[in-house]
Amino acid sequence: EGQLVESGGGLVQPGGSLTLSCAASGFTFGEYTMSWVRQAPGKGLEWVSSIAGVGGRTDYADIVKGRFTISRDNSKNILYVQMNSLRAEDTAVYYCVKDHVARNGVFDSFDIWGQGTKVAVSS
Amino acid sequence: DIVLTQSPGTLSLSPGERATLSCRASQSLSSNYLAWYQQRPGQAPRLLIYDASSRATGIPDRFSGSGSGTDFTLTISRLEPEDFAVYYCQQYGRSPPFNFGQGTKLEIK
Repeated sequence: EGQLVESGGGLVQPGGSLTLSCAASGFTFGEYTMSWVRQAPGKGLEWVSSIAGVGGRTDYADIVKGRFTISRDNSKNILYVQMNSLRAEDTAVYYCVKDHVARNGVFDSFDIWGQGTKVAVSS
Repeated sequence: DIVLTQSPGTLSLSPGERATLSCRASQSLSSNYLAWYQQRPGQAPRLLIYDASSRATGIPDRFSGSGSGTDFTLTISRLEPEDFAVYYCQQYGRSPPFNFGQGTKLEIK
């Protein structure tokens, strides 16, 4: 079964930048759409961004569009998200997630989740 | 954007009882692209149900999903102690954002 391991979280000041990484194993990484989902303290789940396995199409939640950039290195099986202009409301646990089924042009449910990495934006 | 509304916010039941959780979409979901997740305290969410009614790998058959269009239900036939958790629905498909519902907390009565 596949595994996802996030890293790169930490404390950053408002307006700062941070890059999260997610190392994937146990499945053919390049075939699947990958996404980031976040959860603010005591709150629900929020989809952040997705990147297709083939073609590289990217999508973003409006609240992070223009500030976050999702990317992937299929040769290294690593997913990234570069987060700029961070705000206090970006404070959350960030999960790396894998699409359940590789469906061309259709985004799927998330069957593998990482353990999450915490991002705290505070002065 | 599609908004998912889950009800109730909190459900208090006893082990062995039947749980029925609801998820209503603001517009009809194409191909019934709806998933249910379970999140236990301190853990990452886990996929339970996809495509509205298909159980994910390794999920016990006491969990079942049903519904179509805008109204969906997660049923847990007989609650086990480990089932007390927060449950989220999520819509997916061709057009983002792939929103989640606000969650239903299933607590021990």
